[in-house]
Amino acid sequence: DAKTTQPNSMESNEEEPVHLPCNHSTISGTDYIHWYRQLPSQGPEYVIHGLTSNVNNRMASLAIAEDRKSSTLILHRATLRDAAVYYCISGSGNTGKLIFGQGTTLQVKP
Amino acid sequence: DSGVTQTPKHLITATGQRVTLRCSPRSGDLSVYWYQQSLDQGLQFLIQYYNGEERAKGNILERFSAQQFPDLHSELNLSSLELGDSALYFCASSERGNGNNEQFFGPGTRLTVL
Repeated sequence: DAKTTQPNSMESNEEEPVHLPCNHSTISGTDYIHWYRQLPSQGPEYVIHGLTSNVNNRMASLAIAEDRKSSTLILHRATLRDAAVYYCISGSGNTGKLIFGQGTTLQVKP
Repeated sequence: DSGVTQTPKHLITATGQRVTLRCSPRSGDLSVYWYQQSLDQGLQFLIQYYNGEERAKGNILERFSAQQFPDLHSELNLSSLELGDSALYFCASSERGNGNNEQFFGPGTRLTVL
């Protein structure tokens, strides 16, 4: 299973964009890149996933490097409700299993 | 609300006992996953089922077992419980069982072993 590296914590101001980086240098060609987040006292919540191309959805954008060894989750306008632990996960191949790392704790300041 | 239900919400039991955690996936989802979250180990993948068959296994202890029934609900059985088994247990479901999926997580069952 590919390993990911994320900063332990990041801070952002409310209503500003946030770029959360992730390194996954050992990712294989068929592994998707997933982002989940976990708000306090809740289960993990899907944010976005992609394989090679950049992806957008109503929650966020995912920018994947051309060599696929890194990616960035972009929250376009952070709100206080976005304060959470963000997990970047790569791997799983032909199964859906998610191998969580330590994640990045995002703090959003008003 | 993710559409995934887990029962019970809380469970308090003693060492050496056996418990069963139950999960009902979202309507239409064929795959079910179990994860354990503890303070020292973080979120850990335990096991995955797809349409009744085991598809992937993580660091699941031999004292733990799971199954997915024909109606697609799943149960996680934990036996000979130890203090270290105290954790949040999450169930998730997805439509397909591969990596090109989003998983929907339930609210979790908090297990306390005394």
